[in-house]
Amino acid sequence: GAVVSQHPSWVICKSGTSVKIECRSLDFQATTMFWYRQFPKQSLMLMATSNEGSKATYEQGVEKDKFLINHASLTLSTLTVTSAHPEDSSFYICSARDHRGQGTYNEQFFGPGTRLTVL
Amino acid sequence: DQQVKQNSPSLSVQEGRISILNCDYTNSMFDYFLWYKKYPAEGPTFLISISSIKDKNEDGRFTVFLNKSAKHLSLHIVPSQPGDSAVYFCAARASGTYKYIFGTGTRLKVLA
Repeated sequence: GAVVSQHPSWVICKSGTSVKIECRSLDFQATTMFWYRQFPKQSLMLMATSNEGSKATYEQGVEKDKFLINHASLTLSTLTVTSAHPEDSSFYICSARDHRGQGTYNEQFFGPGTRLTVL
Repeated sequence: DQQVKQNSPSLSVQEGRISILNCDYTNSMFDYFLWYKKYPAEGPTFLISISSIKDKNEDGRFTVFLNKSAKHLSLHIVPSQPGDSAVYFCAARASGTYKYIFGTGTRLKVLA
């Protein structure tokens, strides 16, 4: 099956610092990756769609200068939380779309998530 | 505006019985629906899906039913097992997009 990894799995940082989270598709190429965040006991909220070689598409209400996304290769997308504040503390999950999955149902494969805690 | 809703935040079922998880949606442009299982501090894992052209899809112990007129889908797990205890999310995808909209989740607890 398709495997997606995230690194780090958890991170604690001081307020005002920047944190980079990596999302990798290990055994398939992903032209599109998605970034979600989940607050405790809430749904997964789509933040942005990351397209390889082009600018990410952000959902309404998500600050693109706050959450920098780079999708430089077909197997790696990064999310950088800039000048992090305590309210950015959350569980960040990426998913990758298998470009072979044209029209098939299970197109997105999810990473294990990254727990970010900003002090 | 929550386009995908799971109105039951939690559900407890006895081992061996049927678990029924419900999901409602509002957007008529959704044409594909999925169910994911999620453990704390882990990413969701895919369970089963259904296209809007069907009303039922079955895979082992898992069956998903879709009622388009009511904009409602449900996931049936039978027989339920303690290992099924997790949070279940339904997700929907609009025609022509790859974006998933997730519901709020239902925490299932299967009692041994």
